Amino acid sequence: QVQLQESGPGLVKPSQTLSLTCTVSGGSISSGSYYWSWIRQPAGKGLEWIGRIYTSGSTNYNPSLKSRVTISVDTSKNQFSLKLSSVTAADTAVYYCARSDGATVHFDYWGQGTLVTVSS
Amino acid sequence: QSALTQPASVSGSPGQSITISCTGTSSDVGGYNYVSWYQQHPGKAPKLMIYEVSNRPSGVPDRFSGSKSGNTASLTISGLQAEDEADYYCSSYTSSSPVVFGGGTKLTVL
Repeated sequence: QVQLQESGPGLVKPSQTLSLTCTVSGGSISSGSYYWSWIRQPAGKGLEWIGRIYTSGSTNYNPSLKSRVTISVDTSKNQFSLKLSSVTAADTAVYYCARSDGATVHFDYWGQGTLVTVSS
Repeated sequence: QSALTQPASVSGSPGQSITISCTGTSSDVGGYNYVSWYQQHPGKAPKLMIYEVSNRPSGVPDRFSGSKSGNTASLTISGLQAEDEADYYCSSYTSSSPVVFGGGTKLTVL
């Protein structure tokens, strides 16, 4: 059973960079044709896809966030990471990591989510 | 990248059937059979309920079904139960970006 777990600071100051890591257990991040995504949800609002990475290192990003987002993978640690730069209060949200099939983009495994608050 | 359009809320009584719509364009919902539906209870991560328009993952009750016509996908829940009360989100592959979500629908079981 694949499990995903987000980790990282729960509080980030405005203009700084938000950094989160997702640790995958129960299977190798390199096996199969899967993409590994970050998705966020502001309190009381809907889901927003941030971006994804394939184990080859190829990435896709939400066009609205592309200029500020970097997603990377460390296959030796079975982890992938998110960096979001120049954050503002609007970036306060629960951040989820999730796995999707490459072709059909449905997310079958999710982390529990981690709340990141942007505040001075 | 505009979110897919869902009704803000729907409601139904136990045992009844409800349908949640998800409207997009020919660049997403209408152009591909890659529509998914997720159920989210408060404080929990979303759970995949339907993928590729009408397929149910193992363990999802057959009371949940999906369909699509043109640019609109639908999730139908039959035999409504109290535990179905949750938020529901649709998502679709899109030509402009791999994934777009709907705004979400709050289902209330009366």
